[in-house]
Amino acid sequence: EPEVTQTPSHQVTQMGQEVILRCVPISNHLYFYWYRQILGQKVEFLVSFYNNEISEKSEIFDDQFSVERPDGSNFTLKIRSTKLEDSAMYFCASSENQGSQPQHFGDGTRLSIL
Amino acid sequence: GESVGLHLPTLSVQEGDNSIINCAYSNSASDYFIWYKQESGKGPQFIIDIRSNMDKRQGQRVTVLLNKTVKHLSLQIAATQPGDSAVYFCAEILTGGGNKLTFGTGTQLKVEL
Repeated sequence: EPEVTQTPSHQVTQMGQEVILRCVPISNHLYFYWYRQILGQKVEFLVSFYNNEISEKSEIFDDQFSVERPDGSNFTLKIRSTKLEDSAMYFCASSENQGSQPQHFGDGTRLSIL
Repeated sequence: GESVGLHLPTLSVQEGDNSIINCAYSNSASDYFIWYKQESGKGPQFIIDIRSNMDKRQGQRVTVLLNKTVKHLSLQIAATQPGDSAVYFCAEILTGGGNKLTFGTGTQLKVEL
C-alpha cells in the first residue's frame, strides 16, 4: 500500500539553526500538509499546499516557516531559525483531493532543539 | 496559558470484547470526520471516515456513528485485539474550511489479555 515517507526520523539541531524536514507524499496525491505534535499534546495543523502554493496556514506557521515542492516527489518544511519551542514531532500528510478526503500521514520527524 | 501535557482518557478492555471510543466535537459546521489510530512512535493511521450526511459507516471490525444533534462521534471496534492498543483520535474538517484537520484530544485504548 502506498505510504507517505519522512526523513530524517530524528533531527537534533542547535537553537537558531535552520532545519529542513523532508517528505515524499503518496504519488497520485495533489494536496500536501504539515502538522506538528508537541509531546503529550494534540496534533496541530501547520499548513496545506496545493498547486505549488500555500492554500491555508495556521497562526503557528509564521515567517520562520516555509514549505516547498522542489521537484515532482518531495515536499519540504523549513524552519529558518529554530527555537526551543519548535521541538515536536512533525508529520507530513497528503490527500488525493481536498475537503472530504482522508489525509494519510507519515511516521513523522522528531525535531529536538538544544 | 498552555497546558504542559494532556492527560489522555484511557479505555481498558479485555481481548475479544467490543470497544467504544467517544469524541465530542464543538463545531456544528464540521462536515467530515475521520478516526485515526496512533501507535507509539508512529504517525496517525487512517481508520475510517464519515461525512455529515451519514449517521453510520462500517468498515472491517470498525463502525463509526455520528450524532449531529449532540455533536458526538463514536468509534466501535469489534472483538478488540492486542494490536488495537493505541491512541485514537477523532478529527474534523469544517464546511468551507479548506483541508485543515482539527484533532481531538485522543483516547488511549489498552487491550488486556
